[in-house]
Amino acid sequence: DTAVSQTPKYLVTQMGNDKSIKCEQNLGHDTMYWYKQDSKKFLKIMFSYNNKELIINETVPNRFSPKSPDKAHLNLHINSLELGDSAVYFCASSLGIGELFFGEGSRLTVL
Amino acid sequence: GENVEQHPSTLSVQEGDSAVIKCTYSDSASNYFPWYKQELGKGPQLIIDIRSNVGEKKDQRIAVTLNKTAKHFSLHITETQPEDSAVYFCAALPPYNQGGKLIFGQGTELSVKP
Repeated sequence: DTAVSQTPKYLVTQMGNDKSIKCEQNLGHDTMYWYKQDSKKFLKIMFSYNNKELIINETVPNRFSPKSPDKAHLNLHINSLELGDSAVYFCASSLGIGELFFGEGSRLTVL
Repeated sequence: GENVEQHPSTLSVQEGDSAVIKCTYSDSASNYFPWYKQELGKGPQLIIDIRSNVGEKKDQRIAVTLNKTAKHFSLHITETQPEDSAVYFCAALPPYNQGGKLIFGQGTELSVKP
């Protein structure tokens, strides 16, 4: 069983569209994250949720909206996609502030 | 806030040689320093970590050293093998009251040539 699974793995879309990435973890962790990895491999945190409550919200455009329906799921919705949104988005989870378990990533390409 | 610098950005070694990756951090209150390995097309995976009350930790061919005074920590891989080829990230965790946010270095692309 995959510990942290995110879908879709690849996403190609036009500028201006709205898209979502879903994430689920079956580890029983209480904290989930979204990270963005740019073309230079730099990993930057975007959001963190603890037990469905938003605890970290980095300087991310309002077009990005996370949603955590329960502590096992953290979805990312992006409105009005821009070229600069092209990146690999990683979902991760942890038990409190501990080891991060990452998903395999969702590669978003905005044309 | 915390800032983590990682060097080198790329490293090429011959199979069997050692590889060393170095990181410096800015916040002396940071107390947890993990290292992650990211293989092509995969998410990063924790390979070793060290807490601020320890100076060195080993796990088979990998070791991490921490110098709190100088605010730097290093990853050492001995007897490198082609499967060690990957991107390695160091990270530092400031105290929870500053957000509990793991700050990553820029990554080192390690290439082990057979």
